[in-house]
Amino acid sequence: DARVTQTPRHKVTEMGQEVTMRCQPILGHNTVFWYRQTMMQGLELLAYFRNRAPLDDSGMPKDRFSAEMPDATLATLKIQPSEPRDSAVYFCASGLVLGTQISGNTIYFGEGSWLTVV
Amino acid sequence: SQQGEEDPQALSIQEGENATMNCSYKTSINNLQWYRQNSGRGLVHLILIRSNEREKHSGRLRVTLDTSKKSSSLLITASRAADTASYFCATVLDTGRRALTFGSGTRLQVQP
Repeated sequence: DARVTQTPRHKVTEMGQEVTMRCQPILGHNTVFWYRQTMMQGLELLAYFRNRAPLDDSGMPKDRFSAEMPDATLATLKIQPSEPRDSAVYFCASGLVLGTQISGNTIYFGEGSWLTVV
Repeated sequence: SQQGEEDPQALSIQEGENATMNCSYKTSINNLQWYRQNSGRGLVHLILIRSNEREKHSGRLRVTLDTSKKSSSLLITASRAADTASYFCATVLDTGRRALTFGSGTRLQVQP
């Protein structure tokens, strides 16, 4: 049963600390997304990668957030330094996207990393 | 900014009743997808409807799409307590960011 795996599931950290969230996409998927979910803003796209190359990270605060794909089996989202307003659920999703249109493809979500910054 | 807006924000019904959720979007689309999110879990894809389709069925789900009104509806027939979840519509904009943009969601509560 293929699934997107995210770690950690829960993280409580102090303001100013570095936070790294990891994602293992479904084997064979070529596109990876990072979303953030909060009560106020809903689901926001932070960044996404195609074949490990960043395609769009315009939704991500550049001064403290960074996203990478060191290899096809690992995507990371890092916050340094973390702030209380970063408290949210961070979802990774992956999909197999053929051509330029992703809209015809299903994407699969992980269970999320629940981050609390105090 | 969110592309889709769901209506109502919250819906409470009795088991066995039908539940209808609506989604409006702003720009032209290639297709629209509906996802479900159980409390504390990730989103799960339910159904996709293409812009040249008007209606699509999957089990107890029926989705309609009206591109002239830029709206879609999700109907769950004969609802069950297990259908309790949040439901989101998602679209891809024709220009700009080409990733799924989600609406604000409808929280459905099905009372047993």
